[in-house]
Amino acid sequence: ELQLVESGGGLVQPGGSLRLSCVASGFTISSNYMSWVRQAPGKGLEWVSVMYSGETTYYADSVKGRFTISRDNSKNTLYLQMNSLRAEDTAIYYCATSPNYDIFTGYHHLFAYWGQGTLVTVSS
Amino acid sequence: DIQMTQSPSTLPASVGDRVTITCRASQSISNWLAWYQQKPGKAPNLLIYQASSLESGVPSRFSGSGSGTEFTLTIRSLQPDDFATYYCQQYHSALYSFGQGTKLEIK
Repeated sequence: ELQLVESGGGLVQPGGSLRLSCVASGFTISSNYMSWVRQAPGKGLEWVSVMYSGETTYYADSVKGRFTISRDNSKNTLYLQMNSLRAEDTAIYYCATSPNYDIFTGYHHLFAYWGQGTLVTVSS
Repeated sequence: DIQMTQSPSTLPASVGDRVTITCRASQSISNWLAWYQQKPGKAPNLLIYQASSLESGVPSRFSGSGSGTEFTLTIRSLQPDDFATYYCQQYHSALYSFGQGTKLEIK
């Protein structure tokens, strides 16, 4: 069964750093497009970053230069290193993926599987 | 970046109603559009991809249409379980983006 489990959230001061982890089971993350999506309290979904199977990465403008997505294939784990955190980064952070590469439908760009989320609170 | 705009933001409806949610893209995205349903305290659930393809396991009362810049999600004969928030997502650009959401609430 495919599963994603995030961890690493917590309370951090503005300007601080945090590293989120997403442990995957039931599939191999290095073969799939893996994303981070966040949701501020009471707000909508915001895509944050993606890592392609070939290690190409993209970031939303709101986090570019501050956040870094990476993975450890040996641990089948996706990471999000978050630096220079701001109050507006407060959100539940989900990792998400669709482990079915399909060039015709683009299914691999979608989010069919999600973790339970981890809450990041940036506050003094 | 591609901006996605949903309307309405809130949609009051009753069980049995047919409802339509609209999503507009700031530029053409062909049919690279997905719809998600999210219930309070839960992660979103993929409903439709490539504008009109139904995800496996999703009830057939859900349907999607559109291409280019305008898309719709239609729910035929609303069920109590359908009251939730719905989001569109474009994947035409490498920088994915979501609409702001439409909350379907009980009238």
